[in-house]
Amino acid sequence: DTAVSQTPKYLVTQMGNDKSIKCEQNLGHDTMYWYKQDSKKFLKIMFSYNNKELIINETVPNRFSPKSPDKAHLNLHINSLELGDSAVYFCASSPRGAGNYEQYFGPGTRLTVT
Amino acid sequence: GQNIDQPTEMTATEGAIVQINCTYQTSGFNGLFWYQQHAGEAPTFLSYNVLDGLEEKGRFSSFLSRSKGYSYLLLKELQMKDSASYLCAVRDEWNNNDMRFGAGTRLTVKP
Repeated sequence: DTAVSQTPKYLVTQMGNDKSIKCEQNLGHDTMYWYKQDSKKFLKIMFSYNNKELIINETVPNRFSPKSPDKAHLNLHINSLELGDSAVYFCASSPRGAGNYEQYFGPGTRLTVT
Repeated sequence: GQNIDQPTEMTATEGAIVQINCTYQTSGFNGLFWYQQHAGEAPTFLSYNVLDGLEEKGRFSSFLSRSKGYSYLLLKELQMKDSASYLCAVRDEWNNNDMRFGAGTRLTVKP
């Protein structure tokens, strides 16, 4: 069974469009994240949700809006797509609390804006 | 803020040992992680250090010195499949869910 899944895996769209990426985890984790990995392979955190509450909101454009209907899902909606939004977007999840816990990443969504 | 620095690329020979260094400057520290990422795939967890010293897991070991803001990942008996990017990440002291990644070190293992 897939622990963290994302759809779609590939997304090609034109500038100005609105698109969504979905993420689901079946690990029972309380915390979910969205990361952006650009062409230089730098992995940057965008959002973190803990049990449906936003706890990190990095300085990303407000065109990006995360939505968490329940703690197993964290979707990412992007309005008015721009060329610079082209990247791989990774969803991840982790248990809450201190200690030796790592983040489990989804397979990624490669977004190409033309 | 947080600065996490790693070498951009490294090359090593199959069967050899390679050490990938990571230095960090953070306002708070609550653990350092190493992840492996093969091209076109998601990062996967390798190791975690929160106290000073060496953690060994099979062919991979990770070392931490908190006073120096320094860690390394040691890969022994290199295999071709170890060719990947290795990401150093630091967890924030005040927000356990905030983890910042370095840019990664791309390791190429040659026959």
